[in-house]
Amino acid sequence: QQQVKQSPQSLIVQKGGIPIINCAYENTAFDYFPWYQQFPGKGPALLIAIRPDVSEKKEGRFTISFNKSAKQFSLHIMDSQPGDSATYFCAASIETGANNLFFGTGTRLTVIP
Amino acid sequence: NAGVTQTPKFRILKIGQSMTLQCAQDMNHNYMYWYRQDPGMGLKLIYYSVGAGITDKGEVPNGYNVSRSTTEDFPLRLELAAPSQTSVYFCASSSGTSYPYEQYFGPGTRLTVT
Repeated sequence: QQQVKQSPQSLIVQKGGIPIINCAYENTAFDYFPWYQQFPGKGPALLIAIRPDVSEKKEGRFTISFNKSAKQFSLHIMDSQPGDSATYFCAASIETGANNLFFGTGTRLTVIP
Repeated sequence: NAGVTQTPKFRILKIGQSMTLQCAQDMNHNYMYWYRQDPGMGLKLIYYSVGAGITDKGEVPNGYNVSRSTTEDFPLRLELAAPSQTSVYFCASSSGTSYPYEQYFGPGTRLTVT
């Protein structure tokens, strides 16, 4: 049973476009929502994270939008670049304890020059 | 700092064989995790540890065992390997004490069971 549902599975955009990746969850106890970026042959790396007390968080070209009532959150990449081509995973956890992450199934993003 | 290191990078096992995947971190992190990554499935937590001597099951622990005798090392043991254990395995560590609770991942071990 997938605790965090992620879509789309893959995404192709032109350079400068704004890809959007969506995630949804059911467990209302989740209170920490990170996004990880993974390049081929590498382990994932933390990109940006949000807590449910804010509706948006921006770091550079990356923005998380969070809708607590809908139990949904999304990643937007502004002015996307070929170097952003990677697989993106959303995740969720309960902040206390070991903070075990439940990952989405991933989105493979390709940015065409 | 080397960060999180994993050995081996690749391994092929025959059905029924056993092996240990090694993981070490030099960041003095208390929290360590083992994940498996299957195509189209994301990462699933196998086992985790909140400190030396303390381990607990994650989402998919069957067929695996772990131990944590030191802060630095967190080996994952596969007993009686099965084709369903063909996957890429990632070890991660975290200080766990301050937001954003970043988990630092190793480079992974690609395991094939035939």
